[in-house]
Amino acid sequence: AQSVTQLGSHVSVSEGALVLLRCNYSSSVPPYLFWYVQYPNQGLQLLLKYTSAATLVKGINGFEAEFKKSETSFHLTKPSAHMSDAAEYFCAVRRSSGGYNKLIFGAGTRLAVHP
Amino acid sequence: KAGVTQTPRYLIKTRGQQVTLSCSPISGHRSVSWYQQTPGQGLQFLFEYFSETQRNKGNFPGRFSGRQFSNSRSEMNVSTLELGDSALYLCASSTEAWQPNTEAFFGQGTRLTVV
Repeated sequence: AQSVTQLGSHVSVSEGALVLLRCNYSSSVPPYLFWYVQYPNQGLQLLLKYTSAATLVKGINGFEAEFKKSETSFHLTKPSAHMSDAAEYFCAVRRSSGGYNKLIFGAGTRLAVHP
Repeated sequence: KAGVTQTPRYLIKTRGQQVTLSCSPISGHRSVSWYQQTPGQGLQFLFEYFSETQRNKGNFPGRFSGRQFSNSRSEMNVSTLELGDSALYLCASSTEAWQPNTEAFFGQGTRLTVV
């Protein structure tokens, strides 16, 4: 079965510091992995997706993620945090079931950015 | 290009009542999925519709149902509401139901409160 685990429900960083949000996946087949961000009282916005074309994926707002098969990881990083990055982040894997698809989400990591 | 539109944004209902939520996908998108988001259970898949057919269903009781119309708009219905149904209900649209790397675009959600 495909699933994702996000390590750390809360992460706090200072403005300008490195952001690292961890995601490990469990999949018996090459996974399709996604990172979404959710701001308060909003829906989910796609940050980036891994589709096997490249192991380092660049997304919006300066975020990127590296797919490491040996570590079954897809961690999200940003070199320098901004106050506006404070939000909840979700890692997700797309699971095929009978030829159709649904997203399986991790529990989420709430990022706080301090001045 | 208009995004995914969910109506209403907020709802307050009484236990035992029923509720209908609406989702208009992005123009040209034929796949609509519904997710329930709660603090305790996180984001959970409800069901997916493609071309007016339910293609996939999550592990929810029969009180949760949905449908999709010929214009791809979708509704979900919850009957005999329980306090535990209080959640943010998110709708996502995508172009195809069976491409695992397809992006899902989310609406802002409907916040349902059951009292």
